[in-house]
Amino acid sequence: DVKVTQSSRYLVKRTGEKVFLECVQDMDHENMFWYRQDPGLGLRLIYFSYDVKMKEKGDIPEGYSVSREKKERFSLILESASTNQTSMYLCASGAGGAYEQYFGPGTRLTVT
Amino acid sequence: EDQVTQSPEALRLQEGESSSLNCSYTVSGLRGLFWYRQDPGKGPEFLFTLYSAGEEKEKERLKATLTKKESFLHITAPKPEDSATYLCAVQALWGGGSEKLVFGKGTKLTVNP
Repeated sequence: DVKVTQSSRYLVKRTGEKVFLECVQDMDHENMFWYRQDPGLGLRLIYFSYDVKMKEKGDIPEGYSVSREKKERFSLILESASTNQTSMYLCASGAGGAYEQYFGPGTRLTVT
Repeated sequence: EDQVTQSPEALRLQEGESSSLNCSYTVSGLRGLFWYRQDPGKGPEFLFTLYSAGEEKEKERLKATLTKKESFLHITAPKPEDSATYLCAVQALWGGGSEKLVFGKGTKLTVNP
């Protein structure tokens, strides 16, 4: 079974803090993704990566950056957390070609 | 613009009462359509991939079908444990030749015992 793990289930941070969300997949997938999910807005793509050290902006990249130094690990960075970044963050991975994505359990981030 | 619309937004059924969820899409060149199930506070769980009109996939009480404009998720004799939000997504071309998934907002299904 594909397994995608995220470093925290719940996280509380203060405005202005730098926040790191980690995601690890164990299926040797080339593609990895970060989404946020908010009520009424659905899943929105923040950043994605098709290869190590490669990244592409999604629909809402402002205020975020990413890092992919190893194939199995994809990190989302909030450079200076703000209250409007309070959300559920979901990481996903997928093999090239087949393209179904497998999601992690999510991180519920609250910024106060 | 690529769009995915799911209906209804919410659906309440009695246990054993069969029904269907709808996913209509507009995308330039469908590469694939995906159904997911999401339980509260958890990540989406992959259910099905459909690639071409006329294709059908089944898993337990769920059956997904695909036409050129929409997909249906049929739920036969549902049980309370089928209660969840069901998400539909289509594979679309992104600028630069790469591809991404475009998600609908989901249908929240509640099955009462």
